[in-house]
Amino acid sequence: AQKVTQAQTEISVVEKEDVTLDCVYETRDTTYYLFWYKQPPSGELVFLIRRNSFDEQNEISGRYSWNFQKSTSSFNFTITASQVVDSAVYFCALRSYQKVTFGTGTKLQVIP
Amino acid sequence: DVKVTQSSRYLVKRTGEKVFLECVQDMDHENMFWYRQDPGLGLRLIYFSYDVKMKEKGDIPEGYSVSREKKERFSLILESASTNQTSMYLCASSQGLAADTQYFGPGTRLTVL
Repeated sequence: AQKVTQAQTEISVVEKEDVTLDCVYETRDTTYYLFWYKQPPSGELVFLIRRNSFDEQNEISGRYSWNFQKSTSSFNFTITASQVVDSAVYFCALRSYQKVTFGTGTKLQVIP
Repeated sequence: DVKVTQSSRYLVKRTGEKVFLECVQDMDHENMFWYRQDPGLGLRLIYFSYDVKMKEKGDIPEGYSVSREKKERFSLILESASTNQTSMYLCASSQGLAADTQYFGPGTRLTVL
């Protein structure tokens, strides 16, 4: 069985602060894919990033960055200089062949 | 852009009613998925389909069935709705099963009274 843990249920930060959302996963598969999705108040999940299990390079996209560490089974997401528009629920997900598991989500509130 | 549409944003039904939730995608994706989202539980997979007329149970299939007669359409059926099926239902599609990104619809908030 595979599992995704997002231990932070809710986080509040003041605008312009940096924030890291944690994601820890468990799987026995050697080939798998990790995803982050954003769910704004409107409800529709929006894809942010995908990583495969063989690529541990960290990635930066504007104010967003992701840190993938196989040794600790973690795929953490950092928002630099947070903005009010970043307020949303963020989900980490793990996919391997015919299996997909989402974490329980982290609700981020950015206070102006 | 990929578009996944769901037939209703909000639905109110009575206990015992048969409920159909419809999902349509316009990108010729092979795979379609139904999830339910509940506070504190995240997204849980109900069923998925990797081809027309093919379906696989997810983690919580009890009380649900699905139908995929055409590639672009995936229906979730509640044969006899119960109050514990009150939830947000999300449909998704993807081209591949593992590597490919899932694209989500806007969700249907179902209330069963």
